[in-house]
This record gives sequence, structure tokens and C-alpha cells, in this order.
Amino acid sequence: SQTIHQWPATLVQPVGSPLSLECTVEGTSNPNLYWYRQAAGRGLQLLFYSVGIGQISSEVPQNLSASRPQDRQFILSSKKLLLSDSGFYLCAWSVEGGLFYEQYFGPGTRLTVT
Amino acid sequence: AQTVTQSQPEMSVQEAETVTLSCTYDTSENNYYLFWYKQPPSRQMILVIRQEAYKQQNATENRFSVNFQKAAKSFSLKISDSQLGDTAMYFCAFRISGYALNFGKGTSLLVTP
Repeated sequence: SQTIHQWPATLVQPVGSPLSLECTVEGTSNPNLYWYRQAAGRGLQLLFYSVGIGQISSEVPQNLSASRPQDRQFILSSKKLLLSDSGFYLCAWSVEGGLFYEQYFGPGTRLTVT
Repeated sequence: AQTVTQSQPEMSVQEAETVTLSCTYDTSENNYYLFWYKQPPSRQMILVIRQEAYKQQNATENRFSVNFQKAAKSFSLKISDSQLGDTAMYFCAFRISGYALNFGKGTSLLVTP
């Protein structure tokens, strides 16, 4: 069966510091991968998605970047964090061409920028 | 723009009762996919149920069922025999072409003993 991992689970970082969040998927090949952010009391906002190694699409302009160095690894980064980067970050995967195109989510990372 | 509206920020239901969560959406597309996700206090997003827009039959998964009204662009979730473990945020989402899931802002459901 497929599983998705995210780490760290929680993170507290000062403003201006770098960020690296990691997501890995097991049990499937060539998944589509996604990064979402969930601000307090709001729905999910898609930040980035990737359909293959090295292929990244950004949905919103921001202080963050994403990379996909391996087929089942997706990394969210920032060179200098802003207070507004605080939130809950969720990684998800899907199989394109799958029957329903649903996305499956990881456990998330809670980021607090101080 | 594709939008999803969940008009009930909070709802409460007693254990064993039935509750319906509302969702409306706006799209000019004819073929799309609709989903309800559950986010319990652990914050893990869990897929509850899915519906293809071209299917007229409403989807059902155990105690969860949907009322899909395509012309009205409505996709409500009915939870029967509510259980304490159903306490969570519920998000309605849909997807057309491309890759993004469009999410509503969620409904917080509290199941009380």
C-alpha cells in the first residue's frame, strides 16, 4: 500500500532563517506531488505541484520554492522565512490517469515563524 | 474562477443522529470530480467520498453519502448514525482539468454524546 511521510512534524523558525520541509511517498511510482498551505481557519491553498523529477509548477508567487530531486521526494524550501509563512503545510500525491484523480495527503508540518 | 462555498462554519450533532453538510461550487466546466475530505484534530486530511460529475447516481461510502445536484452546483454530505470519531473539519473540494483541488473553507463538525 502507499504511504506518504512528511518531516518534521512541527518546526519553529525565526524570521529570516532558511526552511526545508521534506515529503516522501512509498508504494507508488511516478506520482504527481503537491504542496499545500493551510492558514488558520481557512481551506487549503495549492503552492506547487510536480508531475516528474525536476518539473515544478508554481500556483502562487511567494517566498517559497519547491524541488523534486527524486521520483518520490518533494521538498519545500525558503531562503529567508517571513512571518506570513507560518501555517500548516501538507504534501499530497496522486496518480495521474487514476480513476478519480483524488489526492492523498501526508500528516503535515506545522510551521511557526517567530 | 472556480470557487467552493461551505456556508456552515460550524455544526453540531448528537451521537447516532444524522447531519448534512452543505457545499456549493461554481464552474463553467461540464466534467469534473467532487470530493469530501475530513480533517480530524490530528490534522491529517482523509478522503471521505468522491463523485464524478458525469455520474447521476449519488456516491455512498458506509455511513457517508452525498446529494449531488449538478444543475444547482450543489454537493452536500450526509453523515448517518454519527459517531464521536466523526468530529472533525470537513472540506468540500472539486477538480476539473489541471492539477489543483479547489477547496472550500471547511465546516467544523462536533459530535456530542
